Amino acid sequence: GQQLNQSPQSMFIQEGEDVSMNCTSSSIFNTWLWYKQDPGEGPVLLIALYKAGELTSNGRLTAQFGITRKDSFLNISASIPSDVGIYFCAGHGGGGADGLTFGKGTHLIIQP
Amino acid sequence: NAGVTQTPKFRVLKTGQSMTLLCAQDMNHEYMYWYRQDPGMGLRLIHYSVGEGTTAKGEVPDGYNVSRLKKQNFLLGLESAAPSQTSVYFCASSYISSDDGYTFGSGTRLTVV
Repeated sequence: GQQLNQSPQSMFIQEGEDVSMNCTSSSIFNTWLWYKQDPGEGPVLLIALYKAGELTSNGRLTAQFGITRKDSFLNISASIPSDVGIYFCAGHGGGGADGLTFGKGTHLIIQP
Repeated sequence: NAGVTQTPKFRVLKTGQSMTLLCAQDMNHEYMYWYRQDPGMGLRLIHYSVGEGTTAKGEVPDGYNVSRLKKQNFLLGLESAAPSQTSVYFCASSYISSDDGYTFGSGTRLTVV
């Protein structure tokens, strides 16, 4: 099956720092999505990307759909305490079993 | 508007027992999904449904069954629970397809002892 490699696995940063995480795949995806999960809750959609090269922002978050359609990155600028959580990338290839393929997540920890 | 509601939130089962997890959505979504989340493994698709009366297998379907008798409900059954099924289970729904992004429930934490 399709696999996504998400890195880094975890990040320890200071409040106010910028954050960058990415996902790569050996397969082409037609859609890339980024989710955030807070403790005890389900993931919540942050940004959806539908076209190669697309760059989309949502407040302090910016995500890009790679030109090769095999990668995506998420940046968070000027991190704040409520950014703590697990961030997942997800891709939809449009082939095989329906449903999204998820990365294993990036655990963001912000030190005061 | 509740979105996606999962019941129960927590459950402890003994090996060999059976149970059903219920997922209900009030957004008139066509597609519904069951995922399991394990440490270091991310989210893995168990089964999904593209409409009332339909179901299909995902990446890790063994040991689970599902039913979608009503559009708003998607049930996940464990006929004979095993410790390997200890996990957090998430239900999700989407309007037309995965491209729309999912709305997730808040999860069911299942422990099989």
